[in-house]
Amino acid sequence: SQQGEEDPQALSIQEGENATMNCSYKTSINNLQWYRQNSGRGLVHLILIRSNEREKHSGRLRVTLDTSKKSSSLLITASRAADTASYFCALANSGGGADGLTFGKGTHLIIQP
Amino acid sequence: DTEVTQTPKHLVMGMTNKKSLKCEQHMGHRAMYWYKQKAKKPPELMFVYSYEKLSINESVPSRFSPECPNSSLLNLHLHALQPEDSALYLCASSLRQGVNRNNSPLHFGNGTRLTVT
Repeated sequence: SQQGEEDPQALSIQEGENATMNCSYKTSINNLQWYRQNSGRGLVHLILIRSNEREKHSGRLRVTLDTSKKSSSLLITASRAADTASYFCALANSGGGADGLTFGKGTHLIIQP
Repeated sequence: DTEVTQTPKHLVMGMTNKKSLKCEQHMGHRAMYWYKQKAKKPPELMFVYSYEKLSINESVPSRFSPECPNSSLLNLHLHALQPEDSALYLCASSLRQGVNRNNSPLHFGNGTRLTVT
């Protein structure tokens, strides 16, 4: 199973600014998901984008997917201190069979008040 | 709070102990997962159960033994662990297996922080 690669590994911005993080992958996918993890807690699902979709929104979150470039981005607008967390992209490969998700290494986001 | 409940929240065990981690969900999900997460690393898949049957074992050492007594419960039995097994153990569930085909997101518990001494 493949693993996405997030970029940057760490990001520190001021509250109110926008945060963008990217995920690249190597083989074809059926969908790509983004998760958030606060320190010492479980992961929380944010957005799932299917391979035939190019953009999805959820509140202050915007996810794009470019299958030709094999990359996705997560944009958090008007960031808040509560957005401080690690963000992971997760891949489920195309093709059938039993599967779980494989998580990328993550982007650690710090929002400075 | 999450809808996936894991107990205990913290566990310290010696290398000769036998202990169990428990996970419970009442969302009617039929797929359940165990992940292991070391500090500052992503979660790594260990096991997948689908309709109470083990469908994926990611080459996990036999000192970790999963069990799915029914569709709501998932256990991870631990025996003769090593200090390097210390980690956060996360349980997750999804509506159906086939995160790929069924586009089912995972719902995670808050994990059990395991320390092996």
